[in-house]
Amino acid sequence: DIQMTQSPSTLSASVGDRVTITCRASQSISTWLAWYQQKPGKAPKLLIYKASSLQSGVSSRFSGSGSGTEFTLTISSLQPDDFATYYCQQYETYSPLTFGGGTKVDIK
Amino acid sequence: QVQLQESGPGLVTPSETLSLTCTVSGGSITSYYWTWIRQSPGKGLEWIGSMYYTGSTDYNPSLKSRVTISVDTSRDQFSLRFSSVTAADTAVYYCAARNVDYGWFDPWGQGTPVTVSS
Repeated sequence: DIQMTQSPSTLSASVGDRVTITCRASQSISTWLAWYQQKPGKAPKLLIYKASSLQSGVSSRFSGSGSGTEFTLTISSLQPDDFATYYCQQYETYSPLTFGGGTKVDIK
Repeated sequence: QVQLQESGPGLVTPSETLSLTCTVSGGSITSYYWTWIRQSPGKGLEWIGSMYYTGSTDYNPSLKSRVTISVDTSRDQFSLRFSSVTAADTAVYYCAARNVDYGWFDPWGQGTPVTVSS
């Protein structure tokens, strides 16, 4: 299995901060990576696919970068609606598809 | 805009079979790989498996022996059967649509909590 490791596991930030979350894959996944946002009691929501492509309707505050084994999700200016948990997911290998452990962004 | 809604019992007895259904609305049942994903505090998000309406399936190897996914095109529904459940299978179960050409998931159902307990 391809292991996905996110860091940090928790991040405390303030409104207006620039926030960066890292996701590392245990082997190269090219750019076959997606990012999701999950709020308490809700399903994950797709933000980014193919490492850097913004899903339709998602704020341009969100951006993704990286290739190979190291990826980042950046929120350019954190807004109150952005406090949530973020997950990465690889789809280079479908057996199995795997997620990172999540990064919770909370209020400093 | 495709919308998904899970349904099924919230409590399952150990060693029994967990059965869930996802109803698809606002889109074609032929347009996606239909997927089940679960989330438990201990294991995070775990992909269970996906099925295309043609019958093509892929399952998580760690769960494959206990999982069956099926698609009913006449009802615009797909289902999960998960046999021989234990307390470790307690989780929120989500249905989701997987892009046919790539492996991301969008949209997702709201999720349904399932507890395995006697």
